[in-house]
Amino acid sequence: GAVVSQHPSRVICKSGTSVKIECRSLDFQATTMFWYRQFPKQSLMLMATSNEGSKATYEQGVEKDKFLINHASLTLSTLTVTSAHPEDSSFYICSARDRPDGELFFGEGSRLTVL
Amino acid sequence: GENVEQHPSTLSVQEGDSAVIKCTYSDSASNYFPWYKQELGKGPQLIIDIRSNVGEKKDQRIAVTLNKTAKHFSLHITETQPEDSAVYFCAASGGAGFQKLVFGTGTRLLVSP
Repeated sequence: GAVVSQHPSRVICKSGTSVKIECRSLDFQATTMFWYRQFPKQSLMLMATSNEGSKATYEQGVEKDKFLINHASLTLSTLTVTSAHPEDSSFYICSARDRPDGELFFGEGSRLTVL
Repeated sequence: GENVEQHPSTLSVQEGDSAVIKCTYSDSASNYFPWYKQELGKGPQLIIDIRSNVGEKKDQRIAVTLNKTAKHFSLHITETQPEDSAVYFCAASGGAGFQKLVFGTGTRLLVSP
């Protein structure tokens, strides 16, 4: 099946700094990518829908100025956590489809720890 | 919006037994119902999915059933093996637009040898 790659897999940063997470579709073009957040032993919560060439659509309660999403090409979306705080520590997962009604492929996730 | 409930939250079985996980959804417009397996520290992996024009789908030891009238769907794993131990999530999506997935709360399955 199609492959979605995330980088970095783990990142530790100091409070107040910004962190960028990349999501790449390796063997297909994705006009739409999705970003999820998962706290320990909890479900995946959709944060935003990333659309190539346009602004992301954020879910209710997600701060768009804190979680900046850029989808500059058909194979790359980035999530930047700005001015990170310890409560932003979480597992961030991206996903993408190779066609509108196709299977959703997930990345391996990025674990963010903010000290 | 869509709301997906999943039961049980934990499930312990002996190797070789069957395991059943159930989900209900709220939006009658939903038409796609995937199941994912997530191992510790990894992203979810699709194990089986079903669309609303089908009532049952089977893939070796795994099957999914869908009851659109009652708005519930279930995952059935037969002849469980220790390597089936993981967290399983159901999800639902549908309607126009980008068809975002809404996930259930997850079921931690433990298969004991």
